[in-house]
Amino acid sequence: GIQVEQSPPDLILQEGANSTLRCNFSDSVNNLQWFHQNPWGQLINLFYIPSGTKQNGRLSATTVATERYSLLYISSSQTTDSGVYFCAVVGGNKLVFGAGTILRVKS
Amino acid sequence: GAGVSQTPSNKVTEKGKYVELRCDPISGHTALYWYRQSLGQGPEFLIYFQGTGAADDSGLPNDRFFAVRPEGSVSTLKIQRTERGDSAVYLCASSLQGTFYGYTFGSGTRLTVV
Repeated sequence: GIQVEQSPPDLILQEGANSTLRCNFSDSVNNLQWFHQNPWGQLINLFYIPSGTKQNGRLSATTVATERYSLLYISSSQTTDSGVYFCAVVGGNKLVFGAGTILRVKS
Repeated sequence: GAGVSQTPSNKVTEKGKYVELRCDPISGHTALYWYRQSLGQGPEFLIYFQGTGAADDSGLPNDRFFAVRPEGSVSTLKIQRTERGDSAVYLCASSLQGTFYGYTFGSGTRLTVV
């Protein structure tokens, strides 16, 4: 089945810093999503981005489907950005998730 | 409802016992999914319902796991003869007609088998 790899596995930032999270996937996809899991466990969809670039406030994402990767950019990080960021792609009837990037933003 | 609701939020059970976990999807969402998330991992697919029927149960780990959705709305995940390795967060998601756009997760049930 399709494989999803995320890097880095964890990241510590000072508040205000920028970061880039990466997601590599093993096969062609027509659907890729980024999620944020907050410290209470809730998974929130950030972007539905099968290709191209999207921006939402301080967050933006780019997917290059032909090269099988996606990037999530976080600018001017805030402590509320802490949590786990997951990339997920559609594999058949389900989403296949990577192992996530744990982000800690320190004040 | 406004979101996907899962109950209970936490469940502690003894090894060998039977448990039921409930998911109430967003009203009008015909597709419902169960995932299991172990510590430090991403969610892993268990089963997908389209309406009342299980369209894909390929992720269920063994025959101790079973899920139903008798009226096409609320779903129950049932685990028999629980084992310590079943301890995880069980997540439910729903979407409109099986599309992945607008896929919404519940807050999960944290199951601990002692």
